Amino acid sequence: NAGVTQTPKFQVLKTGQSMTLQCAQDMNHEYMSWYRQDPGMGLRLIHYSVGAGITDQGEVPNGYNVSRSTTEDFPLRLLSAAPSQTSVYFCASSEGRLNTEAFFGQGTRLTVV
Amino acid sequence: EDKVVQSPLSLVVHEGDTVTLNCSYEVTNFRSLLWYKQEKKAPTFLFMLTSSGIEKKSGRLSSILDKKELFSILNITATQTGDSAVYLCAVRGSNYKLTFGKGTLLTVNP
Repeated sequence: NAGVTQTPKFQVLKTGQSMTLQCAQDMNHEYMSWYRQDPGMGLRLIHYSVGAGITDQGEVPNGYNVSRSTTEDFPLRLLSAAPSQTSVYFCASSEGRLNTEAFFGQGTRLTVV
Repeated sequence: EDKVVQSPLSLVVHEGDTVTLNCSYEVTNFRSLLWYKQEKKAPTFLFMLTSSGIEKKSGRLSSILDKKELFSILNITATQTGDSAVYLCAVRGSNYKLTFGKGTLLTVNP
């Protein structure tokens, strides 16, 4: 069972570079989201999607773009990386119902130098 | 804006102790409260609570929700070193978004 798959697991970027963090789920979940986790800050929501073609901003969306062309995939794009984006990024998915758990990918550790 | 506050932020206990972790929240149109355990990797699901006063239990872990006072507690009895982790509380409102607290770092010493 693949569940939620994130790639890459680790990445180092130079300031100003762009990149895409990949997230795919094979559970036919409607709802997908991206979080970043910084020391002492818990998980903060970046962007989320309630279905293919629908995305919305979370708590900390600046510097990130998302798209949801299929149910399975929800990539996160960093347009011009900054050191403040150094973090661990988690993708999560859940069924299209309100009372359901979220399943998390294994995370991507991103360092911007 | 939805808000989740966990306390304490960190806790150190000895094996065999019982611990209580707290989670208070403010959320528009509350739907559910979830507890996760995180051990250096992805958070793993523990409990989902939707109704007041109904205890959820799994082995040595249990949790209960008070929707009137807007809080939940997570109890761990007879703690073991394997319980050392960050415990995250999250609430879901009517728009599917999960809002997380900052977590409680639990360290269980042998």
